[in-house]
Amino acid sequence: NAGVTQTPKFQVLKTGQSMTLQCAQDMNHNSMYWYRQDPGMGLRLIYYSASEGTTDKGEVPNGYNVSRLNKREFSLRLESAAPSQTSVYFCASPRQGNTGELFFGEGSRLTVL
Amino acid sequence: GQQLNQSPQSMFIQEGEDVSMNCTSSSIFNTWLWYKQDPGEGPVLLIALYKAGELTSNGRLTAQFGITRKDSFLNISASIPSDVGIYFCAGGETSGSRLTFGEGTQLTVNP
Repeated sequence: NAGVTQTPKFQVLKTGQSMTLQCAQDMNHNSMYWYRQDPGMGLRLIYYSASEGTTDKGEVPNGYNVSRLNKREFSLRLESAAPSQTSVYFCASPRQGNTGELFFGEGSRLTVL
Repeated sequence: GQQLNQSPQSMFIQEGEDVSMNCTSSSIFNTWLWYKQDPGEGPVLLIALYKAGELTSNGRLTAQFGITRKDSFLNISASIPSDVGIYFCAGGETSGSRLTFGEGTQLTVNP
């Protein structure tokens, strides 16, 4: 049951370090999203890509950059990690046909010390 | 941006009890979806609603799209231990638009 695959599942960083979260989907979907999940705050959209070659800011883009490498892959980069970026990050891709249904990866748990 | 208020934030119930949770918004949504997140996993879609007034069931789960388009509820009947998890509502402004998520309801079921 592939669908949306994220790596790594866990990561600990020190303040100021950089890292990239990888996401790949095998459903041939056009759109891909990055969310962060924090207790009591639901899922907040960081960046999204409506199609290969395009990216747009979501609700909470500050401190992040993204790259839509090809149709399958959408990466999220933290250039200089901060403790406020400690969170669980989810990559998601919506079902084609505008149903609104999102398929999520298993999440990447990031801790910034 | 759009905001959804989901309640309750958490629930502790006994196995066999029924559960009800809801989401409200100050703005209209044209799509309502309900997701469940198991511990350590990503959210998975339970029910999708596309029409005001629509009532849809999926096994022991029933969800309704409010007539005003500003609210939705999810009911779980005869809860079982595997119902444990976080339940999220999500609203979409138009078909295919990005979703706005509620804060989640943490459900604990005691055997």
